[in-house]
Amino acid sequence: KAGVTQTPRYLIKTRGQQVTLSCSPISGHRSVSWYQQTPGQGLQFLFEYFSETQRNKGNFPGRFSGRQFSNSRSEMNVSTLELGDSALYLCASSAGFAGGSQETQYFGPGTRLLVL
Amino acid sequence: AQSVAQPEDQVNVAEGNPLTVKCTYSVSGNPYLFWYVQYPNRGLQFLLKYITGDNLVKGSYGFEAEFNKSQTSFHLKKPSALVSDSALYFCAVRDGRRTGTASKLTFGTGTRLQVML
Repeated sequence: KAGVTQTPRYLIKTRGQQVTLSCSPISGHRSVSWYQQTPGQGLQFLFEYFSETQRNKGNFPGRFSGRQFSNSRSEMNVSTLELGDSALYLCASSAGFAGGSQETQYFGPGTRLLVL
Repeated sequence: AQSVAQPEDQVNVAEGNPLTVKCTYSVSGNPYLFWYVQYPNRGLQFLLKYITGDNLVKGSYGFEAEFNKSQTSFHLKKPSALVSDSALYFCAVRDGRRTGTASKLTFGTGTRLQVML
């Protein structure tokens, strides 16, 4: 099976702009989670989508949003970009069965966002 | 709240020697524990996980991890290190209770492993 894919891989934006990142999960996986990775804060959970519904959310401001489509592909959007949003954004997919605690999340290569 | 501690920012080991990367956790319910590895400019690659059963878990690339409930630890080990093992290693925990927060993985800060010739 193909792995998790993320597009674009690299992105440069300026403060105040908005950005949309895309994630295609492993075929058959219904759960998509997003994480932000920065040198200062490490890996932080943004949100998780399952069957087009947000199932869980981390502690990020409302500028960060996401959605999931019927084919399980997911997008995340960051509006009014700030310098501190520069990070590696990682998407992870899992099968997404009820509860799902035992499931392994498989990560994509990430999108590196630089905000100038 | 769940948390993970990786007390060492960096671990240095000579090739051929055994390696250990330490991880301790805190979680309310039963812990589900994971190890991931990250190479430069790459995403996280899954190594192994502990859900239940045998306390010694074997994973990819010759890695294994030992779950110790009394010490709330899940240390990553490998009998003989390779230079190619040099990377950033993350320990993660998930609360085993089947609730709406079940999907959230909480990661440690990472340990950089440097294997030297």
